[in-house]
Amino acid sequence: AQTVTQSQPEMSVQEAETVTLSCTYDTSESDYYLFWYKQPPSRQMILVIRQEAYKQQNATENRFSVNFQKAAKSFSLKISDSQLGDAAMYFCAYRRGIIQGAQKLVFGQGTRLTINP
Amino acid sequence: DTAVSQTPKYLVTQMGNDKSIKCEQNLGHDTMYWYKQDSKKFLKIMFSYNNKELIINETVPNRFSPKSPDKAHLNLHINSLELGDSAVYFCASSQGRQRGEETQYFGPGTRLLVL
Repeated sequence: AQTVTQSQPEMSVQEAETVTLSCTYDTSESDYYLFWYKQPPSRQMILVIRQEAYKQQNATENRFSVNFQKAAKSFSLKISDSQLGDAAMYFCAYRRGIIQGAQKLVFGQGTRLTINP
Repeated sequence: DTAVSQTPKYLVTQMGNDKSIKCEQNLGHDTMYWYKQDSKKFLKIMFSYNNKELIINETVPNRFSPKSPDKAHLNLHINSLELGDSAVYFCASSQGRQRGEETQYFGPGTRLLVL
């Protein structure tokens, strides 16, 4: 069974600084997808960024980027120029690579990110 | 327009009652999911339907019964509610017919409190 581990229960960063959230996962499969979701106090789960395991290039979405190390099974999220609105719980998630049908997301425990003004 | 909606957003009820949570998606997706987020914020899959067919049924008490009347709707009925059922329940949907369509889109969640 696949597992996802986020070893940092809490992180804090000064506004405008850069922060990196860690995520490791365990799988015996070679084709899969990885995601970072953000959950602000509103409770809504918001997709931040996704990575396809067969792509070596790290995904980037504006101030958010990932460092995907497939051999190390590591998938960290870097937030540049942190803003107050980035304060939230961040969840790393894994999905098997099978395209069709229902494939569950396996989530990490979450990291609570605080932004200090 | 809300892509994935859930009703109600909050539900407070007594132990032993039966309650339902409804989910609707207007994204045209084939697959819908129910996840449970416990008090420690941990998210875990409960059920998934693909084209109205139950595909994923994790180890969930049989007091929980999902029902999908059509592709756009997935409801969750809970019988004989227990204190431990207090959680946030999220509905999600995805397309999943080809690469690039794996992302799951979540509803706003339903916070259930059992007293």
